[in-house]
Amino acid sequence: DAKTTQPNSMESNEEEPVHLPCNHSTISGTDYIHWYRQLPSQGPEYVIHGLTSNVNNRMASLAIAEDRKSSTLILHRATLRDAAVYYCILRDRGSGNTPLVFGKGTRLSVIA
Amino acid sequence: GAVVSQHPSRVICKSGTSVKIECRSLDFQATTMFWYRQFPKQSLMLMATSNEGSKATYEQGVEKDKFLINHASLTLSTLTVTSAHPEDSSFYICSAISQGLEEKLFFGSGTQLSVL
Repeated sequence: DAKTTQPNSMESNEEEPVHLPCNHSTISGTDYIHWYRQLPSQGPEYVIHGLTSNVNNRMASLAIAEDRKSSTLILHRATLRDAAVYYCILRDRGSGNTPLVFGKGTRLSVIA
Repeated sequence: GAVVSQHPSRVICKSGTSVKIECRSLDFQATTMFWYRQFPKQSLMLMATSNEGSKATYEQGVEKDKFLINHASLTLSTLTVTSAHPEDSSFYICSAISQGLEEKLFFGSGTQLSVL
């Protein structure tokens, strides 16, 4: 799997937007960009994924650079419950029944 | 959405005993499940891939005789830590793929194992 680079940690104030960056300069044309997050003492949970176009869902938005070498996960209004480790993972379209390979992720702290 | 149930959530055992962790897909069939291990402040490390009806595939460095995986049905995979030692203390997490939703993986809530 192509490698991703994320900041180790970020901090945000409650109810403010958060932009979590991810660099993936070696991304291939068939790699989807996935984001998962892991709350303390929990298993990871799916957040969002995309290929080329920006994506929105009820949890977050995903902004993908035009050259696809980077992406940004956007939490529109951070809450205390959003404090977690956020993982940016590339996954080939044809991965089928293959596991996710986790990097170190970004630890997001939310300040009240 | 698809739900993966993992039990127990926490277990404390004495050194030398065996511990079984269950991972169930509640509303979908999972021919493939994965087992991860996570040490404090570290990322998830893949231990093995569990395939229904066949032997599990273990990652390099993971002892298959110590971490026994059984995937006897399409909704249940178990991980047994045999003869547990304090260094096996860790957070164990299972994951499953839902057929037709292969772009997403679903995770259990994890099992915190503490070996005394």
